[in-house]
Amino acid sequence: DAMVIQNPRYQVTQFGKPVTLSCSQTLNHNVMYWYQQKSSQAPKLLFHYYDKDFNNEADTPDNFQSRRPNTSFCFLDIRSPGLGDAAMYLCATSRDSSRKETQYFGPGTRLLVL
Amino acid sequence: AQSVTQLGSHVSVSEGALVLLRCNYSSSVPPYLFWYVQYPNQGLQLLLKYTTGATLVKGINGFEAEFKKSETSFHLTKPSAHMSDAAEYFCVFNDYKLSFGAGTTVTVRA
Repeated sequence: DAMVIQNPRYQVTQFGKPVTLSCSQTLNHNVMYWYQQKSSQAPKLLFHYYDKDFNNEADTPDNFQSRRPNTSFCFLDIRSPGLGDAAMYLCATSRDSSRKETQYFGPGTRLLVL
Repeated sequence: AQSVTQLGSHVSVSEGALVLLRCNYSSSVPPYLFWYVQYPNQGLQLLLKYTTGATLVKGINGFEAEFKKSETSFHLTKPSAHMSDAAEYFCVFNDYKLSFGAGTTVTVRA
């Protein structure tokens, strides 16, 4: 089945220690998104790639970076995690960025910062 | 700016009873509306979406939603709740970026 895969499902890191979350997709979609979801809240878009073009949300902290080395993979790097960065991180993909397109979400990575 | 409002942060229903989750939208452009479900510690799964055409939209797991322009609503229903419907539900507006409602938590009583 075509899908969005996130690894690992749970990640524990230490305060200030860089961490990388991974997302891959077999849908061959052009657009890949990263969302942060804190407890009992809706997901919040951090940034997205349309092919190789990176689009950062205005309020995304500089501490968050992303890489997309090819169509299938996208990474979220948190350079110096703080306690406030503990959250569920969701990757999503869509065929293109038109308004009618569905975004398909992965299962998420839950990040714990100690 | 486009937005959605979900009425009721928590809904509790008995197994076999009607599930009704309310969503109203505000938009100056034709709306593209989605309902997603999120089970605990999982990602979001699309239940159904409205883009254009038929205003009654059928989705997965027996859910359906009706787009009513006159009422600016897109309420989600399921005739008979099952224990497996216990989850968080999000109404979403797509304006080239997803705008999420605050979410409604559904609990199902045996």
